[in-house]
Amino acid sequence: AQSVTQLGSHVSVSEGALVLLRCNYSSSVPPYLFWYVQYPNQGLQLLLKYTTGATLVKGINGFEAEFKKSETSFHLTKPSAHMSDAAEYFCAVSDLTLAGNQFYFGTGTSLTVIP
Amino acid sequence: SQTIHQWPATLVQPVGSPLSLECTVEGTSNPNLYWYRQAAGRGLQLLFYSVGIGQISSEVPQNLSASRPQDRQFILSSKKLLLSDSGFYLCAWSVSRTGIGSNQPQHFGDGTRLSIL
Repeated sequence: AQSVTQLGSHVSVSEGALVLLRCNYSSSVPPYLFWYVQYPNQGLQLLLKYTTGATLVKGINGFEAEFKKSETSFHLTKPSAHMSDAAEYFCAVSDLTLAGNQFYFGTGTSLTVIP
Repeated sequence: SQTIHQWPATLVQPVGSPLSLECTVEGTSNPNLYWYRQAAGRGLQLLFYSVGIGQISSEVPQNLSASRPQDRQFILSSKKLLLSDSGFYLCAWSVSRTGIGSNQPQHFGDGTRLSIL
């Protein structure tokens, strides 16, 4: 069965510091992986996705993630945190065995940026 | 371009009252549609998904139901709300593909904050 684990429900970084949000997945077939961001009282916005091809994917707002099959990981990074990056981040996995393009979401990581 | 609309944005309802939340998608046809619930400080729980008109799959048994009366309309309902139904409800859509599975992202509405008193 597919699952997603986000290590660290809360992460704090200083403004300008590296952001690293961890995501590990479990899937018996090739996964499709996604990162979403959620600001308070809003829906989820797609940051980036991995489907096939290049394992390092770039997204919006300067974020990127690397698919590492051997580690079953898809960690999200950003070289320099901005105050506007403070939000909840969700990792999600899908694959071709799931009817209706269902996603499995992690429980989220709340990112705090300290000025 | 495609857009998704959810309403109302906030709703306060007494225990035992009925519920109807509506979601519509514009700019695409035959989308997959989804209802999620997000409890405070927790992740997303898939409640229902639909791959076509009148086709509803339920992921979690509860006192909620969903309907898809039109191609781009998805409705979440309840006959009698419980305190435990409080939460943030999100509607989402994705491109539909023939067969199972897709690598397409899901796109979310702005959500409805439901408070049960």
